[in-house]
Amino acid sequence: AQSVAQPEDQVNVAEGNPLTVKCTYSVSGNPYLFWYVQYPNRGLQFLLKYITGDNLVKGSYGFEAEFNKSQTSFHLKKPSALVSDSALYFCAVRAPNQGGKLIFGQGTELSVKP
Amino acid sequence: EAQVTQNPRYLITVTGKKLTVTCSQNMNHEYMSWYRQDPGLGLRQIYYSMNVEVTDKGDVPEGYKVSRKEKRNFPLILESPSPNQTSLYFCASSQRQVEGYGYTFGSGTRLTVV
Repeated sequence: AQSVAQPEDQVNVAEGNPLTVKCTYSVSGNPYLFWYVQYPNRGLQFLLKYITGDNLVKGSYGFEAEFNKSQTSFHLKKPSALVSDSALYFCAVRAPNQGGKLIFGQGTELSVKP
Repeated sequence: EAQVTQNPRYLITVTGKKLTVTCSQNMNHEYMSWYRQDPGLGLRQIYYSMNVEVTDKGDVPEGYKVSRKEKRNFPLILESPSPNQTSLYFCASSQRQVEGYGYTFGSGTRLTVV
């Protein structure tokens, strides 16, 4: 079965430090991977996606993610965290031949403290 | 502005009273979907539609109905709501079901069934 796992419910980071939010996936075939961010009382906003090509993908607000096929991972990273990055982050995969469904991880709450 | 519009944003209702959550997109997207978000479970797909008059069940369709009479609208219907349908609901659309396209999400509807 296709699935996405975000092993950490919460990640705490000091402002200015690098941050990583982890994501691993299990799909058959080539995955299409996405990161979304959800601010309080808001919908999900697209951050970045991996379709093919360079394993390092750059997205909105200074975020990037690295696709690692051998480890089936797609970790979200940012070199220097901001307090305003505090939000709920979702990793998702759109599997081939699944009718277009996005399969989401359970979400990781990122808290950046001054 | 390209967007997905859901209404209402907040709704409190009583068990068994039929309700409809509306969803409309102005991007001429073929693909539309409903998700529910619950703590620790991420987002789970309820129903989706690949085009007008084409709908199909997602992972958690029980207790829900949808219709797609027009391309822009995809209402979610709860014929007899129950407390276990208390959740945060998101409508999303995508240009097509091709896997490389991400979703655009609405702002969400927080439903409480008492």
